Amino acid sequence: DAGITQSPRHKVTETGTPVTLRCHQTENHRYMYWYRQDPGHGLRLIHYSYGVKDTDKGEVSDGYSVSRSKTEDFLLTLESATSSQTSVYFCAIGSSRRRSETQYFGPGTRLLVL
Amino acid sequence: EDQVTQSPEALRLQEGESSSLNCSYTVSGLRGLFWYRQDPGKGPEFLFTLYSAGEEKEKERLKATLTKKESFLHITAPKPEDSATYLCAVQPPMGDDKIIFGKGTRLHILP
Repeated sequence: DAGITQSPRHKVTETGTPVTLRCHQTENHRYMYWYRQDPGHGLRLIHYSYGVKDTDKGEVSDGYSVSRSKTEDFLLTLESATSSQTSVYFCAIGSSRRRSETQYFGPGTRLLVL
Repeated sequence: EDQVTQSPEALRLQEGESSSLNCSYTVSGLRGLFWYRQDPGKGPEFLFTLYSAGEEKEKERLKATLTKKESFLHITAPKPEDSATYLCAVQPPMGDDKIIFGKGTRLHILP
């Protein structure tokens, strides 16, 4: 998994509660990404970071916030969880090769919002 | 809007029966095209990056090719352990750090 861990790996929570997912990398890569994966939609980008304290929104950012205070950690927070945020969440890190960014993925966090 | 379309959605093959998966894209000025393999319950595993039309990459029974509008993942004499979902993704031109994923092709190899 290219030195990427995610925690927790599984979580069940209730609607309206805040939830924080953690991604940790040991590769010292600049870029980090959060995706969600749902049947029929494939992988969709939530937020990404291009450096410490530098983040930007992705395709489906509403209801999510992120923080990156250290190169190795990228946190995803669901401010007030809803059932529509039940999904599998993947963190990825970006490695620049030639002109493009190859991304390597973590093992995922399976989140169920009741 | 930039799009990535993979076909077929699902494919069942007998062991040893070669075939190809397709990834077509509408991104112009492609910076890179990526292929991943994803097993159930796991994160996508990187396979290949292709940068320009005409380029080919190989790994064991897999070969990826790229044209100006599509990429193919050729699977030669597949084995049951090649069963997985194969994802294609593209990176738009310089200045955009994001990549766009297709929905994947679920491949099942029957013994």
